[in-house]
Amino acid sequence: EADIYQTPRYLVIGTGKKITLECSQTMGHDKMYWYQQDPGMELHLIHYSYGVNSTEKGDLSSESTVSRIRTEHFPLTLESARPSHTSQYLCASSARGNTEAFFGQGTRLTVV
Amino acid sequence: AQRVTQPEKLLSVFKGAPVELKCNYSYSGSPELFWYVQYSRQRLQLLLRHISRESIKGFTADLNKGETSFHLKKPFAQEEDSAMYYCATNNAGNMLTFGGGTRLMVKP
Repeated sequence: EADIYQTPRYLVIGTGKKITLECSQTMGHDKMYWYQQDPGMELHLIHYSYGVNSTEKGDLSSESTVSRIRTEHFPLTLESARPSHTSQYLCASSARGNTEAFFGQGTRLTVV
Repeated sequence: AQRVTQPEKLLSVFKGAPVELKCNYSYSGSPELFWYVQYSRQRLQLLLRHISRESIKGFTADLNKGETSFHLKKPFAQEEDSAMYYCATNNAGNMLTFGGGTRLMVKP
């Protein structure tokens, strides 16, 4: 079934650890995105990609990095997690030429 | 830069009452506007887009370019409408910019 998957759903990690949030989609979409969402707050675009080997920074500055080696995979990495990184991270994808975005379930990250 | 404003963080109405969730945008071009909804424990999903001019789950939204608004309306709210609603617009790169969201609570 075509879908977009994020793992893990929840992650509690200590300060200074390196973490990777996984996002995969089986929808055949070219474009993928990462949004950061605090509870009851705006969704801020932090990274996006038009396709393989394409990555761009979004509106909100983020210390995270992303890669797009395969069309279906768009992982987000934090080299050294800090409490200020505590948030929910949403991955999304959309087809070329279509703005409608499909979202994953999200990863709720807590850095202690 | 484009911006989307949803002035109400929380909107509480009784079942059967009309509901209007406000959205204002600032964008220099011809925007495409959307409403996304997130029900409890579910993922964010598209509710409707202005170019479709359709009614979804009884909701409609009209683009008013003069007032730069795209308010979401429903004449008779139902309890199952309780959710977070986000207004969004695209930019030249076709990336979605979201508003702050409005939590709609429909009381029995």
